[in-house]
Amino acid sequence: GAVVSQHPSWVICKSGTSVKIECRSLDFQATTMFWYRQFPKQSLMLMATSNEGSKATYEQGVEKDKFLINHASLTLSTLTVTSAHPEDSSFYICSASIPGGRSNQPQHFGDGTRLSIL
Amino acid sequence: AQTVTQSQPEMSVQEAETVTLSCTYDTSESDYYLFWYKQPPSRQMILVIRQEAYKQQNATENRFSVNFQKAAKSFSLKISDSQLGDAAMYFCAYRRISGANSKLTFGKGITLSVRP
Repeated sequence: GAVVSQHPSWVICKSGTSVKIECRSLDFQATTMFWYRQFPKQSLMLMATSNEGSKATYEQGVEKDKFLINHASLTLSTLTVTSAHPEDSSFYICSASIPGGRSNQPQHFGDGTRLSIL
Repeated sequence: AQTVTQSQPEMSVQEAETVTLSCTYDTSESDYYLFWYKQPPSRQMILVIRQEAYKQQNATENRFSVNFQKAAKSFSLKISDSQLGDAAMYFCAYRRISGANSKLTFGKGITLSVRP
């Protein structure tokens, strides 16, 4: 079945550094990928929709300059948390759907990245 | 805008018993899709079941079934013969019919515990 791979699964870094998270569709081409943020015991909050070859669409309240999204190929989208601070610590998840399908096709989720900023 | 409401933050069920998780949603659209996702402690998102709004028949997947009441905008999940592995957070989600790239709108989720 369709698989979405996310890397790294866990990252710890110092405040002020930038962190890049990769999301890959392994056996299909994803023109659109989604990036979510999730705090413990809470729901997934959509941050942005990543579109291959064009600018990402950010949800209201999400800082574009803080969370840089690049979708340069049909199988890879990256989320870069720039100048990360402790409040950016969270669980980040990506997802993608097989293009050309209907909305009843499930989104395939990556396993998530736990980001801890010290 | 569409909203999804899961009003129960937590529920508990005895192993082998049946439990129903509630979900309501609000939309002005007549056709859409609804999903239940499971997130175990590993935090992996797993699709449990999906329902197409234009289908009157309730979806069923083994021990999992839904009670879809379109007029009431209700979409509850019933888990029969509960197992310890069913313990997880469950999210109800809505998706517009605009294609595979349309986004999901999630409810707040409910934490289900299973008592042995």
